[in-house]
Amino acid sequence: GAGVSQSPSNKVTEKGKDVELRCDPISGHTALYWYRQSLGQGLEFLIYFQGNSAPDKSGLPSDRFSAERTGGSVSTLTIQRTQQEDSAVYLCASSGAGGRYGYTFGSGTRLTVV
Amino acid sequence: DQQVKQNSPSLSVQEGRISILNCDYTNSMFDYFLWYKKYPAEGPTFLISISSIKDKNEDGRFTVFLNKSAKHLSLHIVPSQPGDSAVYFCAASPLSGYSTLTFGKGTMLLVSP
Repeated sequence: GAGVSQSPSNKVTEKGKDVELRCDPISGHTALYWYRQSLGQGLEFLIYFQGNSAPDKSGLPSDRFSAERTGGSVSTLTIQRTQQEDSAVYLCASSGAGGRYGYTFGSGTRLTVV
Repeated sequence: DQQVKQNSPSLSVQEGRISILNCDYTNSMFDYFLWYKKYPAEGPTFLISISSIKDKNEDGRFTVFLNKSAKHLSLHIVPSQPGDSAVYFCAASPLSGYSTLTFGKGTMLLVSP
C-alpha cells in the first residue's frame, strides 16, 4: 500500500491476556520500527528491524514484549500477560534508503488494558 | 534520563504570528535532527530535518535552526496558521542512515484565528 498500515486501530483487552499488534510497512522499506506513546510521554523506542540483520531489541520494556518480522515485510508485536501500564498507542514506522526523510509512521494501535 | 527535551508542553499563538518551538539535547553523538507533526488519531508525519553540518534549514513557512554548541534546536513557523495546530515532536539520531530516532515528549501548538 501507499502508507504504513497498522491493525487493529483500537484494542481493549483484559489484564493478563496476550495481544498481537500488526504492522504492514511501505513496500520496499527495509527498516521497520516499533514505538509506543504512553499518556503524557514522548515516543518510546521499542524495537528496530533492518533487513536480515538481528533486530535491535534494546527498547523492549520487559520479556513480556516480543516482535517478529516475517519475510522482511509484515511485523507483529506481541505483548504477553498484559498489564495496565502497557496501555498506550503503539506506533509502527518504516524507512527506506538513507532515512534522510525520517520514518513514515502508521496511525497506531491504541491499546487499553482493563 | 531524557536525551531529547522539549520543555514546553504547550504553546498558544495567534494566526499570522511566529511560532517558535524549542528542543534541547544532551547526547553529543546526535548529528541529525528532525521535527515531526502529529494530529490526533494519526501517526506523526515528517516535517523538516537538519544535519549538524548546517545551522539552518528552511522549507516554506518552516525553518529549523541548530546551535550545536548549545545543543539546542528550534522550529520557527511563519506565519502560523490554524491548520498548524498539532503536537510537534523533536527527534535526534547519531546518523542520517538506518538508525533509531530518540524523540522528545512533544509540544502542543495551538494557533488561534
